Amino acid sequence: EAGVAQSPRYKIIEKRQSVAFWCNPISGHATLYWYQQILGQGPKLLIQFQNNGVVDDSQLPKDRFSAERLKGVDSTLKIQPAKLEDSAVYLCASSFKWGGTEAFFGQGTRLTVV
Amino acid sequence: GIQVEQSPPDLILQEGANSTLRCNFSDSVNNLQWFHQNPWGQLINLFYIPSGTKQNGRLSATTVATERYSLLYISSSQTTDSGVYFCAVPGNQFYFGTGTSLTVIP
Repeated sequence: EAGVAQSPRYKIIEKRQSVAFWCNPISGHATLYWYQQILGQGPKLLIQFQNNGVVDDSQLPKDRFSAERLKGVDSTLKIQPAKLEDSAVYLCASSFKWGGTEAFFGQGTRLTVV
Repeated sequence: GIQVEQSPPDLILQEGANSTLRCNFSDSVNNLQWFHQNPWGQLINLFYIPSGTKQNGRLSATTVATERYSLLYISSSQTTDSGVYFCAVPGNQFYFGTGTSLTVIP
C-alpha cells in the first residue's frame, strides 16, 4: 500500500516569495492534515480536512497561508508571502476517518526562507 | 484541547541499554500513537495503542487509559534508535507531546 506522498522534499525561497506544497494521502483516507513543525518543537496542526471540507483551520495564519482539497483527495498548501519564521518542516498526514483513527505521515517538505 | 506531556525530554544511552519513555495526557482518549521521527524529519508509526500492551521486536508500548499515561519501552538500544519520539492522541485533531530526544552512543 502506498504511503502519503509529499512534494517537494526541500525548498529554499526568499522572504516575500510564494511557495506551494502538494500532498497525496493514502487511498481511501477521508481525513487529511497539514502540520507545521519548527525545529525543536512538536508538530502543530495548521488545517484539517474531512473529504473536501475544512474541519479545523483555527491555527492557520489565513493572511498568508491557504489550503485546498478540491476533489477530496490530494491537497495543496500555499504560503504567500513567506516570512522568515515560516522556515519549518511541513508535514501532511492522512487517516481513514476523523476522530481517532490511526494517522500516517508523509516525508515532509523542509522549507527554508532566507 | 488535550494536553500531552512527555518525559524525559532528553535521553542519552549506551548502545545495548534499555529505556522507558513516558507520555501523560490530560483527558480520556480513545487511542494513542507513538512515532519515531528520524533524522530526515519523517514521522514513522511505531504503535497505535488505545490500551493494553503491544510489542514489535525490541520495542513495546503499554497504555493505561484509565490512568492517562502510556509507556514506550526500548530494549537493547541501537544507534539507529536515535531520534525524537513523539506520542500523540487523536481527538478533534492529533495532539502531540513535546517529544523525547534519544541519542544512542556506540
